[in-house]
Amino acid sequence: NAGVTQTPKFRILKIGQSMTLQCTQDMNHNYMYWYRQDPGMGLKLIYYSVGAGITDKGEVPNGYNVSRSTTEDFPLRLELAAPSQTSVYFCASSYSGLAGGNTGELFFGEGSRLTVL
Amino acid sequence: KQEVTQIPAALSVPEGENLVLNCSFTDSAIYNLQWFRQDPGKGLTSLLLIQSSQREQTSGRLNASLDKSSGRSTLYIAASQPGDSATYLCTYKLSFGAGTTVTVRA
Repeated sequence: NAGVTQTPKFRILKIGQSMTLQCTQDMNHNYMYWYRQDPGMGLKLIYYSVGAGITDKGEVPNGYNVSRSTTEDFPLRLELAAPSQTSVYFCASSYSGLAGGNTGELFFGEGSRLTVL
Repeated sequence: KQEVTQIPAALSVPEGENLVLNCSFTDSAIYNLQWFRQDPGKGLTSLLLIQSSQREQTSGRLNASLDKSSGRSTLYIAASQPGDSATYLCTYKLSFGAGTTVTVRA
């Protein structure tokens, strides 16, 4: 059982380049999330999705875009990469979400470490 | 915006001592609270999930309590070991605390 899978694990970008971080889950979870973690900090929510075709902004959405065409996949796109986007990105999923009155248990991928130079 | 605070930010104890980690949040609503462990450069490992209807949850040497009236959760780790050295994060309503970094000295 793979759980939540993220690719790539590491990537170096030049300023102004674009890229997509891939996330897929095989648990048939409706809810998926993207977080970023800066050194010594907790995780901050970038975007989340409550199901295929439905996405919404989190705390720090600027500079990012998402889409959710299937239940399994939730890619995060970085447009015009900036040094401030150097971070570790985590994708997560859960069976239930806030709208259901209770966040279900969160399952995380192993993270994608992005450096923008 | 939900605020989640973890105190202390860092903790160093000798092996065998019990650990007490605190997590507080700004509303006392009805959401679950989850504790994670993170090793340096690694992902998040789920430790315990406390349902909003529960007061505590136990797994081996770990025990987590949830006090909704005071907006606080406490993670207890009994008889600490060097392998418990890591950063411990709590999350409530999709917001994370900054974590408590634990060092257990042999």
